Amino acid sequence: GAGVSQSPRYKVAKRGQDVALRCDPISGHVSLFWYQQALGQGPEFLTYFQNEAQLDKSGLPSDRFFAERPEGSVSTLKIQRTQQEDSAVYLCASSLRVGRNSNEQFFGPGTRLTVL
Amino acid sequence: GDSVTQMEGPVTLSEEAFLTINCTYTATGYPSLFWYVQYPGEGLQLLLKATKADDKGSNKGFEATYRKETTSFHLEKGSVQVSDSAVYFCALTGSGGYQKVTFGTGTKLQVIP
Repeated sequence: GAGVSQSPRYKVAKRGQDVALRCDPISGHVSLFWYQQALGQGPEFLTYFQNEAQLDKSGLPSDRFFAERPEGSVSTLKIQRTQQEDSAVYLCASSLRVGRNSNEQFFGPGTRLTVL
Repeated sequence: GDSVTQMEGPVTLSEEAFLTINCTYTATGYPSLFWYVQYPGEGLQLLLKATKADDKGSNKGFEATYRKETTSFHLEKGSVQVSDSAVYFCALTGSGGYQKVTFGTGTKLQVIP
């Protein structure tokens, strides 16, 4: 595909439901990042994958958040027992390489999650 | 840890006015600095970047210079257009590892005709 795609674009969940958010990075991109953007704020880092390995999950806010990238391409961010404070836009980004001179990160359009 | 502070908005300007959005950062080592833009209803796009001190990033008439002595990366444009109305994010990636992006809180710019 031409860019990073995410689905669904919008998700409404009742408090306590589980949700799964999908990210399709640009083909061949090694690095994949998830960010959380609360209303009126800048995105904040959640987790990082290099191929299929999750190398950093320090930004995940609780153990209700889980991410995977089993084959090193598509990634899923899962949130269990959603709470109202989970309402945010979840952004996925990918980049071609790793390291200081890596290519820029390309961002997807995001999934807007609203928890009622 | 790394952090980015940018001027709060919203900023409202008339068309053809001069724009400055201030940004300062805290980071160890030699970060790379970025400005991202988010147009209404669209995703984040990289506007410009600078990877070392005194570098100037530029794109679409916007400029920003990496000033290590003042830890700043202010965004400027000489003559804004209505189409520049968007939210602008200053950001950095650290000098090591895998380059996660640390963002500022964003500055909303509204340009009126």
